[in-house]
Amino acid sequence: AQSVTQPDIHITVSEGASLELRCNYSYGATPYLFWYVQSPGQGLQLLLKYFSGDTLVQGIKGFEAEFKRSQSSFNLRKPSVHWSDAAEYFCAVINQAGTALIFGKGTTLSVSS
Amino acid sequence: GAVVSQHPSRVICKSGTSVKIECRSLDFQATTMFWYRQFPKQSLMLMATSNEGSKATYEQGVEKDKFLINHASLTLSTLTVTSAHPEDSSFYICSAREEKTQYFGPGTRLLVL
Repeated sequence: AQSVTQPDIHITVSEGASLELRCNYSYGATPYLFWYVQSPGQGLQLLLKYFSGDTLVQGIKGFEAEFKRSQSSFNLRKPSVHWSDAAEYFCAVINQAGTALIFGKGTTLSVSS
Repeated sequence: GAVVSQHPSRVICKSGTSVKIECRSLDFQATTMFWYRQFPKQSLMLMATSNEGSKATYEQGVEKDKFLINHASLTLSTLTVTSAHPEDSSFYICSAREEKTQYFGPGTRLLVL
């Protein structure tokens, strides 16, 4: 069965430092992968997605993610974190039927000054 | 990017009453929309898939007679929580699919007294 694992429940990063949020997936075929961000009390905003092609994907707000098939990973990165990046981050994969998203449990990012 | 709206953003109702939540895709047509429920500090739980012009598909454990879904047009899906009880209090989020990507609404906070 397809699944998504986000190993880190909570991460704290200093403002200006780099960030990497981990995501591992279990999927039988070529996955369609997504990263979403959720601020408190808000819906989810799409940061970036990977369907095929270049394995390094650029997204909004300075985020990027790299698809590594050999590691079944799709880690999210940002070179310099801003206080406004504090939020909940969800990694997701589309199911094999292409009908629904399977979400990880999320990683809470805190930014310290 | 694609924009999805939800209305209302927040609703308080008495136990036993019904509440309707609207989800609209503002700049694209969506034959498929999704309804999620999110508990505090948790990931999204898919409740049902809403297909324009046909019956919704409910996830296991979701009462279809309690959570009525109507997808009457390509830009509007509604979720009606019937005879709401305090345990139905939650954050409800909809999404609309454009090709393989889901775009999320801002969510509706429901409080049943």
